[in-house]
Amino acid sequence: DAGVIQSPRHEVTEMGQEVTLRCKPISGHNSLFWYRQTMMRGLELLIYFNNNVPIDDSGMPEDRFSAKMPNASFSTLKIQPSEPRDSAVYFCASSSERQGNEQYFGPGTRLTVT
Amino acid sequence: SQKIEQNSEALNIQEGKTATLTCNYTNYSPAYLQWYRQDPGRGPVFLLLIRENEKEKRKERLKVTFDTTLKQSLFHITASQPADSATYLCAPGRAGRRALTFGSGTRLQVQP
Repeated sequence: DAGVIQSPRHEVTEMGQEVTLRCKPISGHNSLFWYRQTMMRGLELLIYFNNNVPIDDSGMPEDRFSAKMPNASFSTLKIQPSEPRDSAVYFCASSSERQGNEQYFGPGTRLTVT
Repeated sequence: SQKIEQNSEALNIQEGKTATLTCNYTNYSPAYLQWYRQDPGRGPVFLLLIRENEKEKRKERLKVTFDTTLKQSLFHITASQPADSATYLCAPGRAGRRALTFGSGTRLQVQP
């Protein structure tokens, strides 16, 4: 398996623009997680899905952030409008109940909002 | 509120020595605890999981302990190598909840 795939790997955008981050989980995994990592706040959970259904979105910073999982093999995290404080590395991870609870992380998307 | 604490200062040790990293948690009753390794520019990689009813878990040169009374987990790397240099993150987890809360991580530097 190719592992968790994220795109783009790097994104530079101007404040106010819409940003869409994409994730393809490992095939057969039924849980998907979006995290944000910064030096100041570390690795924070934004939202997670189980069987394509959002279970906990309490980590989503505000209404500017939204996430969808239309099917088992694809998820998006959208920021609209983006702000400089959104600059961070965004990770997607997936896991399977049948294989224990360890999470497999993608390579991340480094977002810079100017 | 729940809190997970890992040494924010980097740990520098000599090659061949045992590295010991600490994870303390408060206002929390995790059913299990996971440890991850993160290299610069990469996502975290799972290393070990230990459950609340396990005192110790081993995998090759790695050993994890879990003391629910002290609310602490220790992560040991024996016979450390420069290739072990990375940031190590602990992540306690609750029963029935698949999401994890990660500590801020401890950076380990193994000098040759």
